Amino acid sequence: GESVGLHLPTLSVQEGDNSIINCAYSNSASDYFIWYKQESGKGPQFIIDIRSNMDKRQGQRVTVLLNKTVKHLSLQIAATQPGDSAVYFCAENAGGTSYGKLTFGQGTILTVHP
Amino acid sequence: KAGVTQTPRYLIKTRGQQVTLSCSPISGHRSVSWYQQTPGQGLQFLFEYFSETQRNKGNFPGRFSGRQFSNSRSEMNVSTLELGDSALYLCASSPRSGGTQETQYFGPGTRLLVL
Repeated sequence: GESVGLHLPTLSVQEGDNSIINCAYSNSASDYFIWYKQESGKGPQFIIDIRSNMDKRQGQRVTVLLNKTVKHLSLQIAATQPGDSAVYFCAENAGGTSYGKLTFGQGTILTVHP
Repeated sequence: KAGVTQTPRYLIKTRGQQVTLSCSPISGHRSVSWYQQTPGQGLQFLFEYFSETQRNKGNFPGRFSGRQFSNSRSEMNVSTLELGDSALYLCASSPRSGGTQETQYFGPGTRLLVL
């Protein structure tokens, strides 16, 4: 039969606001997490990563928070700009024999209004 | 450094044909992973190659195969194409210099349309 497309969550913000994108991951053995940004017609672009021995990591305008207890990951973008509009994916890896295999979330569409 | 490059960028094939996609990793990167991206299934892992050997494989039929060359460049092949194979095929590379997972950097993808 015909497959049903993923219904991606959406987040709409005003330029200058802070954005928070959430992700629930599935594998309790995952020890490495990455956030990617994908613009239309392009491949995913690395934003920031975090390992399971940390609960927070900051980059330029971005912060990733990891809560292993509830298997939750979030990406905070400060002072969001129109150029931040894209689909954001979280990805996880369980290491060991799973090396090279990232499992992706469904993605969140971020729209920034000027 | 130049990023991950993929060729061709766009491809149209008909059912039953086969296709070969190419990926050149970032210079010095030794691991190449392939992913399929569709609106229905999202981003799904196909396989990973390191030192010319497939080290990991996703849940795809045997029609999907790949290989890696001594210069770390990789190709993937899909035989007996089906309509459902229409997708964006993404290649990602990482250094593979240690035992822990490293960041994967993606190419722009090859957009395959099967008619």
